Amino acid sequence: AQSVAQPEDQVKVAEGNPLTVKCTYSVSGNPYLFWYVQYPNRGLQFLLKYITGDNLVKGSYGFEAEFNKSQTSFHLKKPSALVSDSALYFCAVRDIGRAGGYNKLIFGAGTRLAVHP
Amino acid sequence: KAGVTQTPRYLIKTRGQQVTLSCSPISGHRSVSWYQQTPGQGLQFLFEYFSETQRNKGNFPGRFSGRQFSNSRSEMNVSTLELGDSALYLCASSPSSGGTYEQYFGPGTRLTVT
Repeated sequence: AQSVAQPEDQVKVAEGNPLTVKCTYSVSGNPYLFWYVQYPNRGLQFLLKYITGDNLVKGSYGFEAEFNKSQTSFHLKKPSALVSDSALYFCAVRDIGRAGGYNKLIFGAGTRLAVHP
Repeated sequence: KAGVTQTPRYLIKTRGQQVTLSCSPISGHRSVSWYQQTPGQGLQFLFEYFSETQRNKGNFPGRFSGRQFSNSRSEMNVSTLELGDSALYLCASSPSSGGTYEQYFGPGTRLTVT
């Protein structure tokens, strides 16, 4: 079965410092990986995805993620954090266990990012 | 383009009642998926509809059902509500089922069961 783990419940970082939110995955084949962000009382906003190709994926709002196949990781990064980046971040993998590749996403538990001034 | 819309945004129901939630996908998107978000279980997949057909179903009891209309709008229904059904219900749309597309989420419907 496919799964995603976010080992940190919370990450704290000072504004202007680089941030990393960790994600590891377990899949039987090639992974389709996603990062989403959730602000209070809002739905999930898509940040970026890895399907194939370059291991460094660039996304919205200055975020990027590094896919590492040997470590089965897909960590989210940003060179310089903003207070407005404070939110709940979810890593997800698409379940392609069934033939046809449906749209079921399996989410990690989420990591709360707190950026302080 | 307008995003995914969900109605109502907030709902309070009593145990034993039933509820219907609505989702309008982004124009041109034909796949709609539903997720339940709770503090204890996190985000869990309920089901996906594509071209009015259920493509996939999560591990939820039969009290949870859904449908999709010819204009791709979707509804989900929960019958005989239980306290544990209190959650944020999110729908997501995508141009297709499968492929390399990401899904776009609506703001959710907050259901409280008393």
